[in-house]
Amino acid sequence: GAGVSQSPRYKVAKRGQDVALRCDPISGHVSLFWYQQALGQGPEFLTYFQNEAQLDKSGLPSDRFFAERPEGSVSTLKIQRTQQEDSAVYLCASSLRTTNEKLFFGSGTQLSVL
Amino acid sequence: AQSVTQPDIHITVSEGASLELRCNYSYGATPYLFWYVQSPGQGLQLLLKYFSGDTLVQGIKGFEAEFKRSQSSFNLRKPSVHWSDAAEYFCAVGAPDAGKSTFGDGTTLTVKP
Repeated sequence: GAGVSQSPRYKVAKRGQDVALRCDPISGHVSLFWYQQALGQGPEFLTYFQNEAQLDKSGLPSDRFFAERPEGSVSTLKIQRTQQEDSAVYLCASSLRTTNEKLFFGSGTQLSVL
Repeated sequence: AQSVTQPDIHITVSEGASLELRCNYSYGATPYLFWYVQSPGQGLQLLLKYFSGDTLVQGIKGFEAEFKRSQSSFNLRKPSVHWSDAAEYFCAVGAPDAGKSTFGDGTTLTVKP
């Protein structure tokens, strides 16, 4: 496809469950970003990859959050032992080059933790 | 630390009227500045960006923004709003040639017929 693809579109988890969110960036894009968007707020930075290297994970809220991009393309954001406060929309974005110059966002995964 | 403030949570304008959405940022040097638009159920789309040079930046869909260093502002404008412009608008700031961008909490635009 032409854009950034995220799956699943919606995810409902029981508190304590582990979840995995997938992002397929635009083909050839070097950089990949994860953001968390709570209801009524702007996106908050979680982490950033340049190819397979995770260059910045300063925004990950706790050690329950883990992201990977093993082959420099598809990325997975994993949340272990989900909590209610993890409920949010998780946005993935990619960029052709190595910086934040122009981000292309996916439609997001809406996570609801019950 | 970088931060963004969008003072207006919600703005309503009549179709055909002019629009200005405010954005103030905090950053130690000259940052990268962005405006994104988000329609319901869709991802954010870049409207325009400022990196350097001319402080008046033209974007897509007829939008423009002006960087004012003295006021730490980057306000978004459009001379004549269309009903299809109704959406949420986010201002963002980022360090040049870096990864992280910091977003404001957004301004929701409603367009009256």
